[in-house]
Amino acid sequence: ETGVTQSPTHLIKTRGQQVTLRCSSQSGHNTVSWYQQALGQGPQFIFQYYREEENGRGNFPPRFSGLQFPNYSSELNVNALELDDSALYLCASSSGTGWQTQYFGPGTRLLVL
Amino acid sequence: QQQVKQSPQSLIVQKGGISIINCAYENTAFDYFPWYQQFPGKGPALLIAIRPDVSEKKEGRFTISFNKSAKQFSLHIMDSQPGDSATYFCAASSQTDSSYKLIFGSGTRLLVRP
Repeated sequence: ETGVTQSPTHLIKTRGQQVTLRCSSQSGHNTVSWYQQALGQGPQFIFQYYREEENGRGNFPPRFSGLQFPNYSSELNVNALELDDSALYLCASSSGTGWQTQYFGPGTRLLVL
Repeated sequence: QQQVKQSPQSLIVQKGGISIINCAYENTAFDYFPWYQQFPGKGPALLIAIRPDVSEKKEGRFTISFNKSAKQFSLHIMDSQPGDSATYFCAASSQTDSSYKLIFGSGTRLLVRP
């Protein structure tokens, strides 16, 4: 059984650019949640995908968007990057919603210059 | 009302000592309280979790104490070891939210000295 994987591990972009981050969920998991973790802070919920549909969104602007594919892997897209978007982006997978343990990947470190 | 407040920000404990991290919340709809451990370069990993129908849960050296009336919960690490040095996050979620999203505290950096 493979765990949650994310790519790339690190990324440097400039302000105004667009970025796509990828997440492969753990085997058997159909739910992926994305979190943003700023330096020295706890993760903040961006949104969740359950069976390819968005199932909840945090307080993030529309330029943060996502997709979930039939194999339950997921993408996070961020348009018009801002300096404050620099953070560790974590995805977590679980076997359904509810009180299911969320298993986190190692994250993608994004730096916006 | 969604906030979870965590303290202390950092903690230094001698090997064999007890590490205590505290969290407080306001939203009475929260009904699931996990603790996550994060090592540098890794994602958070679930350590232990509790629901408000019990006041304490113990797993090995890790214990959660929960005080529903005070809206507080804490993590106790007994016989702390250098390998426990990591950042610890408390979190909360609610079944009234279809996503059961986790609301995290700001984290506690624990250093256990040999």
